[in-house]
Amino acid sequence: GQQVMQIPQYQHVQEGEDFTTYCNSSTTLSNIQWYKQRPGGHPVFLIQLVKSGEVKKQKRLTFQFGEAKKNSSLHITATQTTDVGTYFCAGSRNQFYFGTGTSLTVIP
Amino acid sequence: DAGVIQSPRHEVTEMGQEVTLRCKPISGHNSLFWYRQTMMRGLELLIYFNNNVPIDDSGMPEDRFSAKMPNASFSTLKIQPSEPRDSAVYFCASSFLQGTGDTEAFFGQGTRLTVV
Repeated sequence: GQQVMQIPQYQHVQEGEDFTTYCNSSTTLSNIQWYKQRPGGHPVFLIQLVKSGEVKKQKRLTFQFGEAKKNSSLHITATQTTDVGTYFCAGSRNQFYFGTGTSLTVIP
Repeated sequence: DAGVIQSPRHEVTEMGQEVTLRCKPISGHNSLFWYRQTMMRGLELLIYFNNNVPIDDSGMPEDRFSAKMPNASFSTLKIQPSEPRDSAVYFCASSFLQGTGDTEAFFGQGTRLTVV
């Protein structure tokens, strides 16, 4: 079956440092979605990438979709304490294939 | 729309008891998903329905777990008998999927289950 892995599993950064999480799929994805789950909360949709090599930005967040459509990354510039949470990538077609998630801790 | 509604928000039960979790998906969505989240295993897909029909239940741990979707606006996940290792947060999510994967998953607030 389709597997979506993320690295790292955990990341601790000092506030103001950058952060990147990587998502890798065992198969080619038609699209990639990113979700954020705050501590104690539920996953919330952030963005979707569809095109090979696509790059999208949301303020300090930059999302990339690989040329082969098998990997993706989320980069946060100058992290803030509000960025704390777990970030999931997910491929979707007839269901959602969620990645293993990266838990981000931001140290003030 | 109020979003995906799950009940109860918290459930504490004794081992061996039956537990029923409930979910009301967003109106108009054709797909419903049940996930279990733990620190050890992350977010696991248990089962998903499309147009009220179970499509993939390979994630259901064992026969103690069962899920139903009698109509487009309601689904239940039942655990009977419950065991301490079932303690987790259970999420329900819904979406409108057409095979092109161009819509997002909307999650409920989750049910935190503790089996003692």
